[in-house]
Amino acid sequence: EDKVVQSPLSLVVHEGDTVTLNCSYEVTNFRSLLWYKQEKKAPTFLFMLTSSGIEKKSGRLSSILDKKELFSILNITATQTGDSAIYLCAVEAGTDKLIFGTGTRLQVFP
Amino acid sequence: GAVVSQHPSWVICKSGTSVKIECRSLDFQATTMFWYRQFPKQSLMLMATSNEGSKATYEQGVEKDKFLINHASLTLSTLTVTSAHPEDSSFYICSARDPAGKYNEQFFGPGTRLTVL
Repeated sequence: EDKVVQSPLSLVVHEGDTVTLNCSYEVTNFRSLLWYKQEKKAPTFLFMLTSSGIEKKSGRLSSILDKKELFSILNITATQTGDSAIYLCAVEAGTDKLIFGTGTRLQVFP
Repeated sequence: GAVVSQHPSWVICKSGTSVKIECRSLDFQATTMFWYRQFPKQSLMLMATSNEGSKATYEQGVEKDKFLINHASLTLSTLTVTSAHPEDSSFYICSARDPAGKYNEQFFGPGTRLTVL
């Protein structure tokens, strides 16, 4: 059975801290791994990763994929209160289906 | 990026009634749309894949007769929760893939919060 596991489930930090969110997966016919940020409503797209070892960056956020060890990390540097959200990892396997992890709830306090 | 809308954004209904949720791709055509359900503090669970002009593909454990999906055009898919019960209360989110998008990623609608009394 395909599965995506995220850790930690919850994280509380102070502004300025750096955080690393983890995502491991076991799926057949892996196509891509995606990271989303979910605040109060629907998830918003952050990154799509398809190749190992190539870092994707967007401002203070970066992500990398290891297809050999079957995991990805999402880094956020110099965190701000606006980074508080649930971060979802999803894997696209086989068809167009996305399999989501449980998410990591990040809370950033001033 | 591509925009997906949902209507209504929230709905409260009595047990036993049916509720229809619309999902629209506003600036692109989507042959495939996806319906997810999210319970509080849980992740998104795919319910079904909606295919324009054909029957939806349901995930294991999702009742086809309870969650009716219609994808009548390239920009509209509807989910009807029939004979809703309190346990159907959840956050329903649709998504659509923009084939012309940079990453061919799925764009999500804002979600519909359903409360069944």
